[in-house]
Amino acid sequence: AQSVTQLGSHVSVSEGALVLLRCNYSSSVPPYLFWYVQYPNQGLQLLLKYTSAATLVKGINGFEAEFKKSETSFHLTKPSAHMSDAAEYFCAVSLWGAGSYQLTFGKGTKLSVIP
Amino acid sequence: DAGVTQSPTHLIKTRGQQVTLRCSPKSGHDTVSWYQQALGQGPQFIFQYYEEEERQRGNFPDRFSGHQFPNYSSELNVNALLLGDSALYLCASSLVREGVTGELFFGEGSRLTVL
Repeated sequence: AQSVTQLGSHVSVSEGALVLLRCNYSSSVPPYLFWYVQYPNQGLQLLLKYTSAATLVKGINGFEAEFKKSETSFHLTKPSAHMSDAAEYFCAVSLWGAGSYQLTFGKGTKLSVIP
Repeated sequence: DAGVTQSPTHLIKTRGQQVTLRCSPKSGHDTVSWYQQALGQGPQFIFQYYEEEERQRGNFPDRFSGHQFPNYSSELNVNALLLGDSALYLCASSLVREGVTGELFFGEGSRLTVL
């Protein structure tokens, strides 16, 4: 079965520091991977997605992620953290079945940004 | 262009009661998925509707049922509520023709508290 594991339920960084949020996947077939962000009391918003076109994927708000098949990883990074980046981040893998697909999410990583 | 809208935003029920949650998809979208997000967890897939039929179902009991209407809006019904049903219920819409790499657009959710 396909799944994702997010390492670290809570990550704290200083403003201006590198953001690194880790995600590892398990899949028997080439996966389609997503990162979503959830701000307090809001729904989820897509940051970026990997669809096998390019291994380095750029998303919104300066985030990017690199698909590494050898490491089964899809870590999310941002060179310089901003206070507005404080939120919860979810990695997800897309599963196909019965003529449609659904997302399986990791447990999430809460990012805190320290001024 | 209105995004995904959900109602009600908050509700409180007691054990054994029944609840109905509603969702209007993003304009132009034809597929609606429902997710349950317990506190501190990632969203878990409940089921997905397309062409007024349930296409996929996650690992949820039959107490959870749904419906999709001709205008693509959807309802989630939960019968015989348990304390463990307390969660944020998220609706997401998408386009079936975008397939497995299509983006899910999420609403802000309905927060259900079961006492």
